Amino acid sequence: QKEVEQNSGPLSVPEGAIASLNCTYSDRGSQSFFWYRQYSGKSPELIMSIYSNGDKEDGRFTAQLNKASQYVSLLIRDSQPSDSATYLCAVNILTGGGNKLTFGTGTQLKVEL
Amino acid sequence: EPEVTQTPSHQVTQMGQEVILRCVPISNHLYFYWYRQILGQKVEFLVSFYNNEISEKSEIFDDQFSVERPDGSNFTLKIRSTKLEDSAMYFCASRGTAFSNEQFFGPGTRLTVL
Repeated sequence: QKEVEQNSGPLSVPEGAIASLNCTYSDRGSQSFFWYRQYSGKSPELIMSIYSNGDKEDGRFTAQLNKASQYVSLLIRDSQPSDSATYLCAVNILTGGGNKLTFGTGTQLKVEL
Repeated sequence: EPEVTQTPSHQVTQMGQEVILRCVPISNHLYFYWYRQILGQKVEFLVSFYNNEISEKSEIFDDQFSVERPDGSNFTLKIRSTKLEDSAMYFCASRGTAFSNEQFFGPGTRLTVL
């Protein structure tokens, strides 16, 4: 069973702080890694993708990947109340078929004023 | 900015009835997906579709489910005889090319089976 694990939270951070979200995955064949943001009652919105070891920065977001440790993280700098949402880690395994995404349960982030 | 659209936004049906959920993927995208999310649970893969055929399907995607691309723009999910446990949010997603793994999701259809 290929799993993606996340702490469900909630993770509470004060406005302006750095939020750190973590994800581990079980399948070493995983090739691509994604972070989606999901507001309550809405659909997943892609915010970051990362394919190779190291850091990838996009605005206030930094994704980090460590394939040896099977670990992906997302840092959100200068957290804003509008960042309050559930963050889904998703992993893509090249199966030769459709490149399906396997999702974690998500971490709920609350940014407090 | 191009986006995936889905209709209807909410569908209420009686158990045993057939429903068709519709999606218009991003123009020029080649790979299409259906996922579902039962309330409070994780997003689950149902099926992937490419070149007018199913590429992969999950255990959830049994004989009650089917997908179709009836024309150049629409992508549909049909549930032949709905069960109470089919109540969920159904998301359509699309991906551009074989070289891009990013999937973009539509707003979803909330299916309620009574």
